[in-house]
Amino acid sequence: GAVVSQHPSWVICKSGTSVKIECRSLDFQATTMFWYRQFPKQSLMLMATSNEGSKATYEQGVEKDKFLINHASLTLSTLTVTSAHPEDSSFYICSASGLAGLTDTQYFGPGTRLTVL
Amino acid sequence: DAKTTQPNSMESNEEEPVHLPCNHSTISGTDYIHWYRQLPSQGPEYVIHGLTSNVNNRMASLAIAEDRKSSTLILHRATLRDAAVYYCILRDDPGGGADGLTFGKGTHLITQP
Repeated sequence: GAVVSQHPSWVICKSGTSVKIECRSLDFQATTMFWYRQFPKQSLMLMATSNEGSKATYEQGVEKDKFLINHASLTLSTLTVTSAHPEDSSFYICSASGLAGLTDTQYFGPGTRLTVL
Repeated sequence: DAKTTQPNSMESNEEEPVHLPCNHSTISGTDYIHWYRQLPSQGPEYVIHGLTSNVNNRMASLAIAEDRKSSTLILHRATLRDAAVYYCILRDDPGGGADGLTFGKGTHLITQP
């Protein structure tokens, strides 16, 4: 089946620093990638949608200048949390859908746990 | 996305079947019923989806009510590895890959040895 990886799997950083999370589709080309955030004991919340070569579309309430998304190729999307603060500590999960379009399912990465001190 | 209602949690015994219900009384005629599950500390994974007819795959079966206002995910022999949060999601695209998914609270399945 389709595999999506994320790197790093966990990261601890100091308040005010920036952190980059990578999401890769390993064995398929992803036209669309999605970024979700999950706080403890809560469900996943969609943050943004990115299409290869286009600007990301952010959900209401998600600051686009704080969460920078780049989808430069069909196999790689990155999420950069800029000037991270403790309230940004969360489980960040990406997903990807392939070239099959409407008939393709979403394949999720294993997630990245971010802790901001 | 139309709203779904699931029990917060369910318990099952290992090696026994599990029936996870989902109510979606406001489902539209073009909505597909998707199920995903999330194992502890992992990203979600696709389980199964259907439109009107019952569906089977290697992971589970999906039974859809005739009026489509409810559905049931069936795990035929639950194992400890099936302990997860199961999400029932309605989508108007067949695969669920066109747009971001709206996750509800899901059902936390607890399997007992």
